[in-house]
Amino acid sequence: GAGVSQSPRYKVAKRGQDVALRCDPISGHVSLFWYQQALGQGPEFLTYFQNEAQLDKSGLPSDRFFAERPEGSVSTLKIQRTQQEDSAVYLCASSLGSFGNTEAFFGQGTRLTVV
Amino acid sequence: DQQVKQNSPSLSVQEGRISILNCDYTNSMFDYFLWYKKYPAEGPTFLISISSIKDKNEDGRFTVFLNKSAKHLSLHIVPSQPGDSAVYFCAAFLVGNQFYFGTGTSLTVIP
Repeated sequence: GAGVSQSPRYKVAKRGQDVALRCDPISGHVSLFWYQQALGQGPEFLTYFQNEAQLDKSGLPSDRFFAERPEGSVSTLKIQRTQQEDSAVYLCASSLGSFGNTEAFFGQGTRLTVV
Repeated sequence: DQQVKQNSPSLSVQEGRISILNCDYTNSMFDYFLWYKKYPAEGPTFLISISSIKDKNEDGRFTVFLNKSAKHLSLHIVPSQPGDSAVYFCAAFLVGNQFYFGTGTSLTVIP
């Protein structure tokens, strides 16, 4: 399909393990966002890319979280030394334009469970 | 600090009647407001948006109203259908910044 694709859909990690979550945005989309959604909550902003540039990472909860988008397309969110509080759905969204484009398309998310 | 708030976690409406979902925000500088619909195990899907310079936007059965003086927006669905049953998220966007989401309202449309 032509939508935002995230993998894996589900990930179970042992506490202390490193994980990498992948996002394939819609082809040609300039902007890419990562969100964290805890159970019963709305999505919380993590970080924003415009092409390959990470313009805002103010939402990353700790230095264990790292995101990259080296070629301005696929993005990876990496969480090092996972903790139980990292358990959440991680959503990726992309939009065609840069600032001011209002419609962001979301992937299905990756549900991370840290045990 | 919750900049976008949805104070009703759930709402039940009879099929064919109007559904009204409410959202309040705190930052008067927001440029756009959006509603997203989310089914279980899926990502949010864009539904409708409104610019801060407008007070109403309509798209088929969906209408969003913006009251800037009250910092309040609402989504009206008329007539409501069982397929509308989902979680609805209100979001606000500040140009040059990020989306802020509310905590969602779970709508159940009863056949």
